[in-house]
Amino acid sequence: QKEVEQNSGPLSVPEGAIASLNCTYSDRGSQSFFWYRQYSGKSPELIMFIYSNGDKEDGRFTAQLNKASQYVSLLIRDSQPSDSATYLCAARVDYGGSQGNLIFGKGTKLSVKP
Amino acid sequence: DGGITQSPKYLFRKEGQNVTLSCEQNLNHDAMYWYRQDPGQGLRLIYYSQIVNDFQKGDIAEGYSVSREKKESFPLTVTSAQKNPTAFYLCASSMGRARRGEKLFFGSGTQLSVL
Repeated sequence: QKEVEQNSGPLSVPEGAIASLNCTYSDRGSQSFFWYRQYSGKSPELIMFIYSNGDKEDGRFTAQLNKASQYVSLLIRDSQPSDSATYLCAARVDYGGSQGNLIFGKGTKLSVKP
Repeated sequence: DGGITQSPKYLFRKEGQNVTLSCEQNLNHDAMYWYRQDPGQGLRLIYYSQIVNDFQKGDIAEGYSVSREKKESFPLTVTSAQKNPTAFYLCASSMGRARRGEKLFFGSGTQLSVL
């Protein structure tokens, strides 16, 4: 059973701090990983994707991938109250009949306090 | 504007009734997906289709049915066999399964509730 695990939170950080969100995955065959942000009652929106070991930066967001440890993380620098949302981590199935499908974690709820 | 349109936004089902959720995309995407989300839970895959006239069961297909007669459309029917249908339903699409890093885009969702 392919799984993606996330701490459900809530993770509370003060405004301006760095928020660190973590995710582990079980399928070593997964090659691509995604972070989605979901506001309450809304659909997920893609923030970052990463498929190479190391760091990938986009504005205030940095995704980190360690395939040996099967670990993905998302750092949000200078956190703002508008970053308060649930963050979903997803791993892509990259082989077999369900290639292309995403396996989602249950999400981590982030709260940024002014 | 290109995108994925889901309708209706809210839907109520009576016991024993079948209801159909609409999903249309104008992104020219080959692959389309239906997910179910329960409160505090992640997304669980119901059905997916990688190409027109073909679809596959996901992890929780029981009590649901789909069709893919047109590339743009992937309607989901929640049948009376689905005993716990109350959830937020999300339709998504992508260009296809062959590309590493291929992104999934979501519609705005349909909240289904039981009367």
